[in-house]
Amino acid sequence: GESVGLHLPTLSVQEGDNSIINCAYSNSASDYFIWYKQESGKGPQFIIDIRSNMDKRQGQRVTVLLNKTVKHLSLQIAATQPGDSAVYFCAENIGGGSTLGRLYFGRGTQLTVWP
Amino acid sequence: DTGVSQNPRHKITKRGQNVTFRCDPISEHNRLYWYRQTLGQGPEFLTYFQNEAQLEKSRLLSDRFSAERPKGSFSTLEIQRTEQGDSAMYLCASSFGQGLTYEQYFGPGTRLTVT
Repeated sequence: GESVGLHLPTLSVQEGDNSIINCAYSNSASDYFIWYKQESGKGPQFIIDIRSNMDKRQGQRVTVLLNKTVKHLSLQIAATQPGDSAVYFCAENIGGGSTLGRLYFGRGTQLTVWP
Repeated sequence: DTGVSQNPRHKITKRGQNVTFRCDPISEHNRLYWYRQTLGQGPEFLTYFQNEAQLEKSRLLSDRFSAERPKGSFSTLEIQRTEQGDSAMYLCASSFGQGLTYEQYFGPGTRLTVT
């Protein structure tokens, strides 16, 4: 399953399938990106990050791809499990200066995993 | 549990009352952030501390809002003369900032309801 985080806020996939959640960003000065997972009633939980000098980074069952040419970020979840059901946010930092550390969050995509 | 704690977890108050929230970051983290999240949206940056210094405030942080981090450890966020539009989840995050390290760990949030 695939979704664009800012335009299709929901994604439903079957357990065991791979999920792809997309995110577009607009600021070419953004130098750092994070994906967060947020379950209902909880704070965002860090999943994986990537710096702008990288195109791809892999974690456990997750991969983040960064395409700076089209300002696009994606999160791939392999073998999606029911416990992956949550809202996923991409966040970016616009590099340096007084905005150091400030994260800008996208709207989020609700991922639902069905058996 | 990320190690960031927030109290209270829920607060219901009447319009016009003052409220104060507390955040205890991960102990070795020198950076602390406050975000606000409304239903269906990603977190929005409010303010940021490095140690006890408040380095940045968002335009969202009106003069009714004040945040402190007096000893560079815990932080408080106070809202005076609350309005119904202040109803939201208030999230605290912390990070260990050295150079370009941005990974932020979020607490569970304080849900504020203004009636």
